[in-house]
Amino acid sequence: DAGVTQSPTHLIKTRGQQVTLRCSPKSGHDTVSWYQQALGQGPQFIFQYYEEEERQRGNFPDRFSGHQFPNYSSELNVNALLLGDSALYLCASSLGPGQAEAFFGQGTRLTVV
Amino acid sequence: AQSVSQHNHHVILSEAASLELGCNYSYGGTVNLFWYVQYPGQHLQLLLKYFSGDPLVKGIKGFEAEFIKSKFSFNLRKPSVQWSDTAEYFCAVTLYSSASKIIFGSGTRLSIRP
Repeated sequence: DAGVTQSPTHLIKTRGQQVTLRCSPKSGHDTVSWYQQALGQGPQFIFQYYEEEERQRGNFPDRFSGHQFPNYSSELNVNALLLGDSALYLCASSLGPGQAEAFFGQGTRLTVV
Repeated sequence: AQSVSQHNHHVILSEAASLELGCNYSYGGTVNLFWYVQYPGQHLQLLLKYFSGDPLVKGIKGFEAEFIKSKFSFNLRKPSVQWSDTAEYFCAVTLYSSASKIIFGSGTRLSIRP
């Protein structure tokens, strides 16, 4: 039973560029959430997708957007990258949007230079 | 705004020592509480969770946590740590009214001396 998988594992981008990160949820899960974990900090909630719609959003600017596909996989897009966007981006999946228990992927390490 | 505070940034213990990591949250309503662990190079894993019922919760690998509602606390304990417990530990909360969003503390790095 595959867990949550994310790609790529590492990424280096230049300021101003755009990036797309990908996530496949755990088998049987239909809800995907994205988190940003800056160095030395706990993960911070970006947004959650369920039924291909953004259901809840954290305190992140519109430069952060996402998408969920019919197979429940998801993408996180970040436009106009800033140095401060450098972080580990975590994807979590759950069975249903109201389920508090989530399973996390290993993350994508994004470095903006 | 709701928040989670972890009192210790870095804890260093010897093997067989007892462990207690503090966690407090700020929210007056109903919450679900969690401890996650992140071993070096691995993904976040759930150690234990509290939704309701017995406030003393037992998790994997001999960890336990006690929910004290009056103190808004959910401290993690283990009577005897092992070198393999070296990891980053995160306390987290979800609000009953918004169970989708997990609010994490800043984490406690635990180092165990062999």
